[in-house]
Amino acid sequence: DAGVTQSPTHLIKTRGQQVTLRCSPKSGHDTVSWYQQALGQGPQFIFQYYEEEERQRGNFPDRFSGHQFPNYSSELNVNALLLGDSALYLCASSLLGGQGLYGYTFGSGTRLTVV
Amino acid sequence: GENVEQHPSTLSVQEGDSAVIKCTYSDSASNYFPWYKQELGKGPQLIIDIRSNVGEKKDQRIAVTLNKTAKHFSLHITETQPEDSAVYFCAATRGDSNYQLIWGAGTKLIIKP
Repeated sequence: DAGVTQSPTHLIKTRGQQVTLRCSPKSGHDTVSWYQQALGQGPQFIFQYYEEEERQRGNFPDRFSGHQFPNYSSELNVNALLLGDSALYLCASSLLGGQGLYGYTFGSGTRLTVV
Repeated sequence: GENVEQHPSTLSVQEGDSAVIKCTYSDSASNYFPWYKQELGKGPQLIIDIRSNVGEKKDQRIAVTLNKTAKHFSLHITETQPEDSAVYFCAATRGDSNYQLIWGAGTKLIIKP
């Protein structure tokens, strides 16, 4: 049973560029949440997608946007990259319907470096 | 705003000894408190969690305690082993939200042979 899959694993972008990160949830899960983890810190909630809609959003600017597809996979898009966007981006999947955050499963993340 | 404080930032213990990591949360409406273990190059892995209607939960060598009055919760690892070396994060829900976790800053646990 495949867990959460994220791609790519590493990425280097130039300031001002745009980037798209991808996430395939664990089999049977229908909800995807995205987190940003700066070096040496805990993850920060970006947003969560369920039924192809953004349900909740953390304190991130509109440069961060996302999408969920009918097969539950998800993309995180970041526009106009800043040096401060360099971080590990984590995707977590779960099954809603009463479970909410319970049973969160994380992927290994995408390491984004902005130069 | 809501926050979770975690201590210590680094903990070094002798193999076989116990380790305790403590967290304090600010939002009295928080109702779910998971603990995650993150190894180098990997995403966080849930190791144990507790809900606000329970005071203690144990799973083999790992236990979590919750004091709602004081808004404290702690992770206890007994009989530590080298494979326990990792960064451990505590987290709490933002209010009673089903959507967001607020995370502590992490504790680097080092098990000395």
